[in-house]
Amino acid sequence: KQEVTQIPAALSVPEGENLVLNCSFTDSAIYNLQWFRQDPGKGLTSLLLIQSSQREQTSGRLNASLDKSSGRSTLYIAASQPGDSATYLCAVKSAGNKLTFGGGTRVLVKP
Amino acid sequence: DTGVSQNPRHKITKRGQNVTFRCDPISEHNRLYWYRQTLGQGPEFLTYFQNEAQLEKSRLLSDRFSAERPKGSFSTLEIQRTEQGDSAMYLCASSLGQGWNEQFFGPGTRLTVL
Repeated sequence: KQEVTQIPAALSVPEGENLVLNCSFTDSAIYNLQWFRQDPGKGLTSLLLIQSSQREQTSGRLNASLDKSSGRSTLYIAASQPGDSATYLCAVKSAGNKLTFGGGTRVLVKP
Repeated sequence: DTGVSQNPRHKITKRGQNVTFRCDPISEHNRLYWYRQTLGQGPEFLTYFQNEAQLEKSRLLSDRFSAERPKGSFSTLEIQRTEQGDSAMYLCASSLGQGWNEQFFGPGTRLTVL
């Protein structure tokens, strides 16, 4: 059974600092990994999708890496802004068609 | 707006009542998923449709839950005899083509059972 863990559960940084969010999964046989952002009481916004054959994906200030063999992904957010405050979720697609989510990392960027 | 839409956005009901939620996927997306998210947790998979066929159901989906996707377009999720433990955010997602493609999520329906 696939299990996804995100550590830390919460993170507070001053504006301008780079954010590093970690995600680990137990079964390396994955199709892809997605990073999402969720604002309080809202749905999920997809940030980046990394296919199993890829090592990283970049979009603007966001960069996500994937090390399938060690079961890890890292989301980097450069030069954080108060608007980056949200919960960040990672999810893996493995056998079957569902996404298995981590518990999320709640990020607060202080002005 | 061409994203995934869900209605209602909020639902408050009394224990024992039945509720039904609707999800309209992105046009032409053949795959549709339902997830449930409780406070402070990540979403958990409930069920998945490919076109009109329900192909996978989680053990979380008790007999009180039923989902349909007539004609392979919108989907409904019904909860019968609601319990306080059903209080959660119900999220719908859709994707196109193969199962490894990106899933796009709707805004969710927040259910509160009193």
